[in-house]
Amino acid sequence: GESVGLHLPTLSVQEGDNSIINCAYSNSASDYFIWYKQESGKGPQFIIDIRSNMDKRQGQRVTVLLNKTVKHLSLQIAATQPGDSAVYFCAENSGGGFKTIFGAGTRLFVKA
Amino acid sequence: EAGVAQSPRYKIIEKRQSVAFWCNPISGHATLYWYQQILGQGPKLLIQFQNNGVVDDSQLPKDRFSAERLKGVDSTLKIQPAKLEDSAVYLCASRSDSSNYGYTFGSGTRLTVV
Repeated sequence: GESVGLHLPTLSVQEGDNSIINCAYSNSASDYFIWYKQESGKGPQFIIDIRSNMDKRQGQRVTVLLNKTVKHLSLQIAATQPGDSAVYFCAENSGGGFKTIFGAGTRLFVKA
Repeated sequence: EAGVAQSPRYKIIEKRQSVAFWCNPISGHATLYWYQQILGQGPKLLIQFQNNGVVDDSQLPKDRFSAERLKGVDSTLKIQPAKLEDSAVYLCASRSDSSNYGYTFGSGTRLTVV
């Protein structure tokens, strides 16, 4: 069945360094991908999205890369800050029905 | 704009009791979702509404879970009777049909079944 998974459950980075969070997906029909950030006690918050006809998309301090050949997605956070500490989820949509399937998440720790 | 409102924030019940959660989506958002998030896992879709109609409830355990969205605005999710494995955060999210972006989530209701 469909699944979205993450390579690493926990990532620890030094403040100011760049962070890279990876995600693998298995449904080749997925056409829309989203990264969410979830802080403790809050719901997931939209960070950035990318459609399957793109390879890269940049936002403010964040970049998402999509490699459809190997079904891999990554989120890059530049100059990581303590406020970036959270769990990050990649999610995928397919079929135009806008049903989002979430992966298990990666917890990002930022060391001061 | 106001966010997605959920209540209560926390609920503790005994197994076999019933419980209900309420969600008020962002004004004008036609699509509403209920997700279940077990500790340490990603959110899992339970049900999706488009206005007051159900689009997808394939993952909803219908023997004990029910949801409704009367008048296409507020929604309630009910569990009856609750089991220990229902302990989770129940998240409501909404999306505008005209939006190209992901959902807006509420803060969730944390349910503990003892």
